[in-house]
Amino acid sequence: DAGITQSPRYKITETGRQVTLMCHQTWSHSYMFWYRQDLGHGLRLIYYSAAADITDKGEVSDGYVVSRSKTENFPLTLESATRSQTSVYFCASSESTGRNQPQHFGDGTRLSIL
Amino acid sequence: GDSVTQMEGPVTLSEEAFLTINCTYTATGYPSLFWYVQYPGEGLQLLLKATKADDKGSNKGFEATYRKETTSFHLEKGSVQVSDSAVYFCALSETSGSRLTFGEGTQLTVNP
Repeated sequence: DAGITQSPRYKITETGRQVTLMCHQTWSHSYMFWYRQDLGHGLRLIYYSAAADITDKGEVSDGYVVSRSKTENFPLTLESATRSQTSVYFCASSESTGRNQPQHFGDGTRLSIL
Repeated sequence: GDSVTQMEGPVTLSEEAFLTINCTYTATGYPSLFWYVQYPGEGLQLLLKATKADDKGSNKGFEATYRKETTSFHLEKGSVQVSDSAVYFCALSETSGSRLTFGEGTQLTVNP
């Protein structure tokens, strides 16, 4: 089925480890986004991408790295995980530019860092 | 910068009660406004949107009107159901590229 898929759904790791969260969409949407969801903060933008090989930082990008070599994939890497990065991570995509375009979200990855 | 403020939760209602979740925003231009809903264990889904002043978005019995004079986009439903239990997020998009600014979310629980 078409849509946006995140993997894994759940991940437990230790501080200092590198971990990569995967995001794949089948719509060929130009824009893709990574958010983290924390109690009391709603969703905060980590990184976004306007197209393959074009990425930019959001409001909470420190400690995260992204890449986008193909339109359909947008992996998020925590280079050296810290406890403060324990969160639920959501990937989203949007068809085009324009402030009227809604975003389509994956089901999230719940990441726990011990 | 842009910001969205939602009423504090959690909100608990009985089935068939009237629902209002308040949302106000701060933006420098003319944003589009959205309500997203998140059911347990799932990602966010678009519930409704409005793109200009006085527009009313509606879906599944929910409504919200874009009020520029009060910078508000309150979500309402006349008669809630148990299945409406979820977290509701108000959001705005002002720039091109569809970047969204979210409120903190409001947890709604509807009891039978």
